[in-house]
Amino acid sequence: AQSVAQPEDQVNVAEGNPLTVKCTYSVSGNPYLFWYVQYPNRGLQFLLKYITGDNLVKGSYGFEAEFNKSQTSFHLKKPSALVSDSALYFCAVRDMEYGNKLVFGAGTILRVKS
Amino acid sequence: DGGITQSPKYLFRKEGQNVTLSCEQNLNHDAMYWYRQDPGQGLRLIYYSQIVNDFQKGDIAEGYSVSREKKESFPLTVTSAQKNPTAFYLCASSILGGWQPQHFGDGTRLSIL
Repeated sequence: AQSVAQPEDQVNVAEGNPLTVKCTYSVSGNPYLFWYVQYPNRGLQFLLKYITGDNLVKGSYGFEAEFNKSQTSFHLKKPSALVSDSALYFCAVRDMEYGNKLVFGAGTILRVKS
Repeated sequence: DGGITQSPKYLFRKEGQNVTLSCEQNLNHDAMYWYRQDPGQGLRLIYYSQIVNDFQKGDIAEGYSVSREKKESFPLTVTSAQKNPTAFYLCASSILGGWQPQHFGDGTRLSIL
């Protein structure tokens, strides 16, 4: 079965500093990986995806993610954090054998302090 | 603007009562999904549908029912058999194809009176 792990419940970073939110995955076959962001009492917003190709994927709002097949990781990064980036972040993998459903990690709260 | 509309935003259920959460999309997506979100547990799949008049159980379907009579609509009924229904419910849709992202509505928060 496909699975995703987000090892950190919360990440704290100062505004202007680089940020990393970690994600590791376990899949059979090639992974289709996604990052989403959720603000309080809102739905999830799609940030970026990895399907194939370049290991560095660029997405919305200045976010990018690095795919590492040998380490089975897909970490979310941003060079310079903003206070407005504070939110809940989810990593997800597509389960191609189960109706293309998304399997989500537990989520990581990102707090950016000014 | 195209998107997914969930209603109501807040819903309260009495003991023994069934309640229905609405999900409508105008994105012309074939696939629709219902997820349940509990704090610290991520999202768990309740039901999904890839075509009108067909749907499949997800990981936590017990105590829930759905219908898909129209492409744009995928209502979720939380029945009295669901003993712990308090949660945030999210509806999503997507184009068929594993590489396509799912688009989410803004959710319905269900609480027990």
